[in-house]
Amino acid sequence: DAGVIQSPRHEVTEMGQEVTLRCKPISGHNSLFWYRQTMMRGLELLIYFNNNVPIDDSGMPEDRFSAKMPNASFSTLKIQPSEPRDSAVYFCASSSRGGAYEQYFGPGTRLTVT
Amino acid sequence: EDQVTQSPEALRLQEGESSSLNCSYTVSGLRGLFWYRQDPGKGPEFLFTLYSAGEEKEKERLKATLTKKESFLHITAPKPEDSATYLCAVQYFGNEKLTFGTGTRLTIIP
Repeated sequence: DAGVIQSPRHEVTEMGQEVTLRCKPISGHNSLFWYRQTMMRGLELLIYFNNNVPIDDSGMPEDRFSAKMPNASFSTLKIQPSEPRDSAVYFCASSSRGGAYEQYFGPGTRLTVT
Repeated sequence: EDQVTQSPEALRLQEGESSSLNCSYTVSGLRGLFWYRQDPGKGPEFLFTLYSAGEEKEKERLKATLTKKESFLHITAPKPEDSATYLCAVQYFGNEKLTFGTGTRLTIIP
């Protein structure tokens, strides 16, 4: 299995630009999670989906952030407009039993907003 | 509010020197406690899940244990390749999200 796939691996953009991060979960997994990791706040859950439906988006910082999961094999996290404080590593993870069990993480996208 | 506290923040050991990492959590309603390993520039790698007090799991030089209010990750005779940040996370009934601690950065000196 290829594991969770994320793209791009690195993204550098200017403040005010739109950023789209992409994730392909492990085939057969029905839950998908988006996390953000910073030195100050550690690893934080932003949003998660079960069977392509958003279940908990309470971790999404503000309206500039949005996430979609149009099908079982693809999800996007969009930031519009981006700000320097959004600079972080964004991880996608998937699990096979509704999130009650272990989650498998992708390699992450390192986002730098200048 | 869910709380997960890991200690120490950083730990340096000589190769072969055994030790333990601690993860304490808010007591009520635990569904599962998870241990992950994270290498620099990579995503967290799943190690163990523990579900009930008294449970233990082992993998190579690592053993995870769980009590009613904390978990320990014991590292026996570590090698330099065990150097990484070790994260614990908890999941409570009624909410499927994982709440992570801030991790213990482990360095094994040859």
